[in-house]
Amino acid sequence: NAGVTQTPKFRILKIGQSMTLQCTQDMNHNYMYWYRQDPGMGLKLIYYSVGAGITDKGEVPNGYNVSRSTTEDFPLRLELAAPSQTSVYFCASSRTGDSNQPQHFGDGTRLSIL
Amino acid sequence: DQQVKQNSPSLSVQEGRISILNCDYTNSMFDYFLWYKKYPAEGPTFLISISSIKDKNEDGRFTVFLNKSAKHLSLHIVPSQPGDSAVYFCAASEVSYDKVIFGPGTSLSVIP
Repeated sequence: NAGVTQTPKFRILKIGQSMTLQCTQDMNHNYMYWYRQDPGMGLKLIYYSVGAGITDKGEVPNGYNVSRSTTEDFPLRLELAAPSQTSVYFCASSRTGDSNQPQHFGDGTRLSIL
Repeated sequence: DQQVKQNSPSLSVQEGRISILNCDYTNSMFDYFLWYKKYPAEGPTFLISISSIKDKNEDGRFTVFLNKSAKHLSLHIVPSQPGDSAVYFCAASEVSYDKVIFGPGTSLSVIP
């Protein structure tokens, strides 16, 4: 009954370092999403995927990369960490991309870039 | 420009009373609206939704009202309980659009 699992929960990076945020879901959902949430703001879509091998940019993709080699996994890569990427990152999934399909979220990764 | 607005960052309500959370949107192409609830250190969880062809949807203590002409929706919680204390996000999507637009959230505190 895991749903969407994100690792790590917390991370501190130095400017210029790189890291991968992991996301996996066990619901066999086709659609997966990465969001970031900044203080006082709504969730902003970074990238999304409609199925294995297919990804597309969201509203704020700059500085990030994704891949989707399997249905279950959707990792988010930061290549050159910048202070502006300090945020809470949420991964989500949904069975379809239909507007009436609610998304299931992981518990988030809190990332600080110093 | 924010397409989905929640103009009240916070709201405090006495236990047992009604909580009303408001949401305004600007995009007339939105056809589906959802409310998510978020506790600290957890991800958002789906609460209730409404299609643009309806003006009301009810699920237990939670009711969402939609006023399309005013581009406004509201979430009513009756009666409010301390466990309802959380951040509530309003979200909207278009019929042929894979993406959902989230508002900034309203933090609800239900005081025992």
